[in-house]
Amino acid sequence: KAGVTQTPRYLIKTRGQQVTLSCSPISGHRSVSWYQQTPGQGLQFLFEYFSETQRNKGNFPGRFSGRQFSNSRSEMNVSTLELGDSALYLCASSLLLTGSYGYTFGSGTRLTVV
Amino acid sequence: DQQVKQNSPSLSVQEGRISILNCDYTNSMFDYFLWYKKYPAEGPTFLISISSIKDKNEDGRFTVFLNKSAKHLSLHIVPSQPGDSAVYFCAARRETSGSRLTFGEGTQLTVNP
Repeated sequence: KAGVTQTPRYLIKTRGQQVTLSCSPISGHRSVSWYQQTPGQGLQFLFEYFSETQRNKGNFPGRFSGRQFSNSRSEMNVSTLELGDSALYLCASSLLLTGSYGYTFGSGTRLTVV
Repeated sequence: DQQVKQNSPSLSVQEGRISILNCDYTNSMFDYFLWYKKYPAEGPTFLISISSIKDKNEDGRFTVFLNKSAKHLSLHIVPSQPGDSAVYFCAARRETSGSRLTFGEGTQLTVNP
């Protein structure tokens, strides 16, 4: 069975631009969460979607937004990019909202802002 | 406020010996704990988890211990293999927070042949 697919794998953007990242969860998984990983910071929770509704949001500015479609695919958008937004962005899918059956991560999108 | 902490940024062990990775947490509302392994340029891979109602969970070479009174958990890998070399993340979840995981900063494990 296919895993969590994130596209693109690598992205280079200029300060001030906006970017959209995509995540396709495992088939049947309805919960998608997004995390940002920067050097020395571990993984920081961005937001979580379940059945097209944002259920949880981390402590990130409003420039970070997301959405989920009826097929559970999710996108996250970052507007007015800053150098500090350079990071590995990971999404994770799980069967249920509580993730009781485990979370599966994608390989991530490496975003570089120059 | 770092609610999940992994105080050792790195750990080096010999092949065949035991690796012990530690994790402390401050939020007593966490009810589920997970360990993930991560290689560079890949997403974290789930290793093992433990519910707060248990104090031990085993899966092959991996065992996780939970000490709720000390708010401490540890991951034991026995025997350690060179392929175990990776960054290990401890994560915690509150049932009321949906799928949101709070991660530690990670520990780089190096297993030397």
